[in-house]
Amino acid sequence: QITLKESGPTLVKPTQTLTLTCTFSGFSLSTSGVGVGWIRQPPGKALEWLALIYWDDDKRYSPSLKSRLTITKDTSKNQVVLTMTNMDPVDTATYYCAHFFSMVHAFDIWGQGTMVTVSS
Amino acid sequence: SSELTQDPAVSVALGQTVRITCQGDSLRSYYASWYQQKPGQAPVLVIYGKNNRPSGIPDRFSGSSSGNTASLTITGAQAEDEADYYCNSRDSSGNHLMFGGGTKLTVL
Repeated sequence: QITLKESGPTLVKPTQTLTLTCTFSGFSLSTSGVGVGWIRQPPGKALEWLALIYWDDDKRYSPSLKSRLTITKDTSKNQVVLTMTNMDPVDTATYYCAHFFSMVHAFDIWGQGTMVTVSS
Repeated sequence: SSELTQDPAVSVALGQTVRITCQGDSLRSYYASWYQQKPGQAPVLVIYGKNNRPSGIPDRFSGSSSGNTASLTITGAQAEDEADYYCNSRDSSGNHLMFGGGTKLTVL
């Protein structure tokens, strides 16, 4: 059974850097075809894809946020970390991590999400 | 263009059939996946690839694609299908992902 859980601060100040951790179980991020992605959703708004890291350490970023994002993986800890610099109130959102299976090119299992508020 | 366009809201009578669409240039080259999201919950994958359902998704959900449009069809909509639906695919370069703006489905 695949599970993912996001963790990190619930409140960050403007200009600070956000660090979120996705801890997963039930799969290995060293298995061919597997990836973990990050998606966010501002309150009442649509989903927005942020980043994706593949089993072979290939990394993809949203073009509009690429300069602010870094995604890394620690295969031994079953964790994926997303950092986002220069946080702004418009970055207030629920942040989800999700298991990505490249064979079907879809996020088939999602974490519960973690709400991050950006405010001074 | 690198975007996916969905109608903001669609309604369907209980037991009837509804089609939710997603338009984008990249859909001429790539399949869309579809996600159902109920209030306060994480999205759930309902359709992926040409027309595939993950285990546990009812067979009243189906997907199709033609030209630059992908569609999610619910045949015999149930009250529990009331939710937001999002399409997801690659952009035209194939290197990045994107989501549509979502469609709020109301079952009357």
